[in-house]
Amino acid sequence: QQQVKQSPQSLIVQKGGISIINCAYENTAFDYFPWYQQFPGKGPALLIAIRPDVSEKKEGRFTISFNKSAKQFSLHIMDSQPGDSATYFCAASRGTGGFKTIFGAGTRLFVKA
Amino acid sequence: NAGVTQTPKFQVLKTGQSMTLQCAQDMNHNSMYWYRQDPGMGLRLIYYSASEGTTDKGEVPNGYNVSRLNKREFSLRLESAAPSQTSVYFCASSVGRVSGANVLTFGAGSRLTVL
Repeated sequence: QQQVKQSPQSLIVQKGGISIINCAYENTAFDYFPWYQQFPGKGPALLIAIRPDVSEKKEGRFTISFNKSAKQFSLHIMDSQPGDSATYFCAASRGTGGFKTIFGAGTRLFVKA
Repeated sequence: NAGVTQTPKFQVLKTGQSMTLQCAQDMNHNSMYWYRQDPGMGLRLIYYSASEGTTDKGEVPNGYNVSRLNKREFSLRLESAAPSQTSVYFCASSVGRVSGANVLTFGAGSRLTVL
C-alpha cells in the first residue's frame, strides 16, 4: 500500500501562475514532511520541509500548507517560472524506525513561457 | 566536495546476471539509503542503513542485498537480475535526525537495464 499519496501526476501551468501539488499520508507516526525537486538526469534535492507543529511554511515563492487533522499537506509555487519545470516529490519520515523517508509518486510540472 | 557518488552510471545486464552498485559519501553522514525510481511509482525505498553496522529492509527489498562496508560506503547487490529490476537507482545519505529533520542528499543515479 502507498503510504504517501500524491496528486496530480502531471501539471501544466502558465508562467506567473500558481502551481499546487497535494499529498496525503496514512501513518500518524510521520513527523517530518519534506518536498524534493528533481531535474532531468539529476538526483532529487530538498526544496522545503515542514514539521506537523506548524500549519504553514514559506520560503520565497514556495509554501507548504499542512493540515494535521486531515493528514494532508500541499506545495504551492507562486509566480511559477519555466525554470521551475521539474518533478516534485512529497515525502514523510519518522523519528523512529531508522529515520527512513517514504516518497509520493511524484508530479511532473511544466511551466509554459 | 563530491557529496554522494554512485557507480556505475549506466549498466546493461542479461537476466540472471549479478552486479553490485557502489555508493560512497564524503559528508560524514550516519545514514545511507538505496531507492529505485520507476515512472508513476516515485521513489521506493529498497534498503537503508541508519548507522554503520546496521541495515534494514525498506518497501521493496526482494531480489536485493546490501552491505554497509564502512561509514562512507553502502553497496547494493542484485544476485540474479530480472527484467523487473530495470530502473534508475539512487543512493542517498543523511546525517540522521537533527532537530527533527532528516535531510537526504542524493547521488546522480545509476540507470540499470535488464534484458
